[in-house]
Amino acid sequence: DVKVTQSSRYLVKRTGEKVFLECVQDMDHENMFWYRQDPGLGLRLIYFSYDVKMKEKGDIPEGYSVSREKKERFSLILESASTNQTSMYLCASSIIEGRGPTEAFFGQGTRLTVV
Amino acid sequence: ELKVEQNPLFLSMQEGKNYTIYCNYSTTSDRLYWYRQDPGKSLESLFVLLSNGAVKQEGRLMASLDTKARLSTLHITAAVHDLSATYFCAVDPNTGNQFYFGTGTSLTVIP
Repeated sequence: DVKVTQSSRYLVKRTGEKVFLECVQDMDHENMFWYRQDPGLGLRLIYFSYDVKMKEKGDIPEGYSVSREKKERFSLILESASTNQTSMYLCASSIIEGRGPTEAFFGQGTRLTVV
Repeated sequence: ELKVEQNPLFLSMQEGKNYTIYCNYSTTSDRLYWYRQDPGKSLESLFVLLSNGAVKQEGRLMASLDTKARLSTLHITAAVHDLSATYFCAVDPNTGNQFYFGTGTSLTVIP
């Protein structure tokens, strides 16, 4: 079974704090993604990575950065948390095209509240 | 800008009835995915559709893909309460490295 694990289910942080959201997958997937999910807006892609040390901006990268130092781990960083970053954050991974079905597998989500 | 539109956004249906959720997308793609999300939970993969005309069925759910029309459907047959959830479609443009999601359809099945 593919397993994508996010380090926290719930987080409460103060405005201006630096926040780290960690995600680990155990299936040797090349691609990893960070989404945020807000009511009425669906899932919006923040960043994705298709290889170690590689990253690409998604649709809403402002206020976020990412780090992928190892294949299995993809971190999302909020440099200075703001209240409009209160959201559910979902990490996902997928296999590279040609190696198998390319569906994305999701972690359990981190509900972040910035106060 | 790639758009993925689902309708309806909200669906309330009685047990035993049939209904269809539609997913339209604006880019060329022959890969489409359906996911289910229960309240407070993450997304669970339901179907992977990888070619024009693909049809997949699991229990009371059946998904199909028409790449020419850029349309996928999720058909619900004889709904039961356990199907209450939010359903998302996602499109993978032919770049193979991203997934674009619709806004979701919140389904409530009423006894």
